[in-house]
Amino acid sequence: ETGVTQSPTHLIKTRGQQVTLRCSSQSGHNTVSWYQQALGQGPQFIFQYYREEENGRGNFPPRFSGLQFPNYSSELNVNALELDDSALYLCASSDRGSGELFFGEGSRLTVL
Amino acid sequence: QKEVEQNSGPLSVPEGAIASLNCTYSDRGSQSFFWYRQYSGKSPELIMFIYSNGDKEDGRFTAQLNKASQYVSLLIRDSQPSDSATYLCAVGPPGNFNKFYFGSGTKLNVKP
Repeated sequence: ETGVTQSPTHLIKTRGQQVTLRCSSQSGHNTVSWYQQALGQGPQFIFQYYREEENGRGNFPPRFSGLQFPNYSSELNVNALELDDSALYLCASSDRGSGELFFGEGSRLTVL
Repeated sequence: QKEVEQNSGPLSVPEGAIASLNCTYSDRGSQSFFWYRQYSGKSPELIMFIYSNGDKEDGRFTAQLNKASQYVSLLIRDSQPSDSATYLCAVGPPGNFNKFYFGSGTKLNVKP
């Protein structure tokens, strides 16, 4: 059984650029959620995908968008990067209805 | 008011003692409650969850839930230095598992 994997692990972008983060869900899980964790804070829910459709969204602007693919992997895209987007982006997979989140190691984004 | 509140700590306990971590939440209709452990620079990992009022024990960990007081706690018995980490409380809103509110976490230091 493979766990949740995310790529890239670290990246540096400049303000105004765009970024794509990728996530492969744990084997057997059909739901992927994305969270943003700023330094010293708890994770904040961005959105969740189930069966390739968005299934709930947190208080994030439309420049945060995502996709889920038929193999349940997912992408998080952020356009027009701002300095405050600097954070650890966590992908979590789960089996819909269980509530237990299994997190990847995260992608640490720095926006200069 | 934040949806989930935790004391940021640090909470320092000697090795072998009981560590008590607390969390309050604002949505009275919340139905699922999770505790995650996050080591510095790592992603959160699930410790345990509780859905019903009362206590739930798993090894050295006990989760306690009091819905009337909107309060959930985690007790760690026989604390070990390896338990030193930040503990995140996550609360699920009523009716779905697609969005969790996390507290900012309590940093626990277990001193040898």
